[in-house]
Amino acid sequence: GEKVEQHESTLSVREGDSAVINCTYTDTASSYFPWYKQEAGKSLHFVIDIRSNVDRKQSQRLIVLLDKKAKRFSLHITATQPEDSAIYFCAASMFLTNAYKVIFGKGTHLHVLP
Amino acid sequence: NAGVIQTPRHKVTGKGQEATLWCEPISGHSAVFWYRQTIVQGLEFLTYFRNQAPIDDSGMPKERFSAQMPNQSHSTLKIQSTQPQDSAVYLCASSFLGGLYEQYFGPGTRLTVL
Repeated sequence: GEKVEQHESTLSVREGDSAVINCTYTDTASSYFPWYKQEAGKSLHFVIDIRSNVDRKQSQRLIVLLDKKAKRFSLHITATQPEDSAIYFCAASMFLTNAYKVIFGKGTHLHVLP
Repeated sequence: NAGVIQTPRHKVTGKGQEATLWCEPISGHSAVFWYRQTIVQGLEFLTYFRNQAPIDDSGMPKERFSAQMPNQSHSTLKIQSTQPQDSAVYLCASSFLGGLYEQYFGPGTRLTVL
């Protein structure tokens, strides 16, 4: 079936460094790629997304890159801060049967070390 | 805007009892999603409604689990004859139009089956 693979299950970086989380997807027709953040003890919330008509999007310290040829997308967090520590989920939206379905990756636990 | 509301926040049931979980989506959102999250399995998709109609229930265990959306202001997930392996956090999310837009997650219902 259609899959989204999130390559790093855990990632540790020093405060101030950049963090990169990589995801791949299987369906070439996927057109929407959101990212969600889950802080300890809380629910998920949306942080940034990218659509297939662009290959880069930035929102403050967050950058998303999309390589449609390689079916790969990544989240770059620059100048990391302790509050960036959380689980990050990538997702891809693909058309299945009769509707767009969002497939989530397994999540990456980001630790920002002081 | 109160966001997505889920009740109860915590529920403890005995093995074999029934559990009903409630979700109130954000007003104006036409899509409602249910997910289950555990440490072992991560985030699992259960089912998806759009304009109250069931669109995709491919993630729902075929026995004991059912979901409904009787009106645009609430959805329910019912688990009959609960088992310890049903213990999880059940998340409800809503979005403006479905799989091509960001999802807003509720705080979740933590179900514990003794």
